Amino acid sequence: DAGVTQSPTHLIKTRGQQVTLRCSPKSGHDTVSWYQQALGQGPQFIFQYYEEEERQRGNFPDRFSGHQFPNYSSELNVNALLLGDSALYLCASRKTRGEAFFGQGTRLTVV
Amino acid sequence: KQEVTQIPAALSVPEGENLVLNCSFTDSAIYNLQWFRQDPGKGLTSLLLIQSSQREQTSGRLNASLDKSSGRSTLYIAASQPGDSATYLCAVTGGSQGNLIFGKGTKLSVKP
Repeated sequence: DAGVTQSPTHLIKTRGQQVTLRCSPKSGHDTVSWYQQALGQGPQFIFQYYEEEERQRGNFPDRFSGHQFPNYSSELNVNALLLGDSALYLCASRKTRGEAFFGQGTRLTVV
Repeated sequence: KQEVTQIPAALSVPEGENLVLNCSFTDSAIYNLQWFRQDPGKGLTSLLLIQSSQREQTSGRLNASLDKSSGRSTLYIAASQPGDSATYLCAVTGGSQGNLIFGKGTKLSVKP
């Protein structure tokens, strides 16, 4: 079992650009969530996908959007990047009511 | 609004010591609580999951307790080792499909 895998591991983008991050959940997991972690802070919830629909959303602007595919993998899209979007982006997967498992994250730097 | 606090923010101990990390939460209506470990620049590794009906969970040298009524959890690490050096995060879930709400973590350094 490969666990939760995220790609890419590192990314540098320019202000105003758009970025797509990808996540493959752990085998058997059907729920995928995305988190943003700034340096020295705990992860902040962005949104959660289940059955290809956004089920919950944290306090993030509409520039942050996502998608879940039939194979449960997911994408996080961020439009009109700001310097403040620089962070570690974490994907977590789990079964319903189960333990959450995280990927290694994508480090996004906006310059 | 649920808030999670972890004390202390940083902790340095000599190798071999037993230690306790603290986590408190403001709303006792949680579904479960999870402890994670995070190495610098890396993702989160799940250590222990405690369901709201449970009082504690153990894995190797780690023991986590949960007191829902007082809004507290502790992570006990026995016989600490330099390899335990990392940031430890606790997170609570408000429902079966709920998102995780994290504290800011405790940065642990175990000196040889």
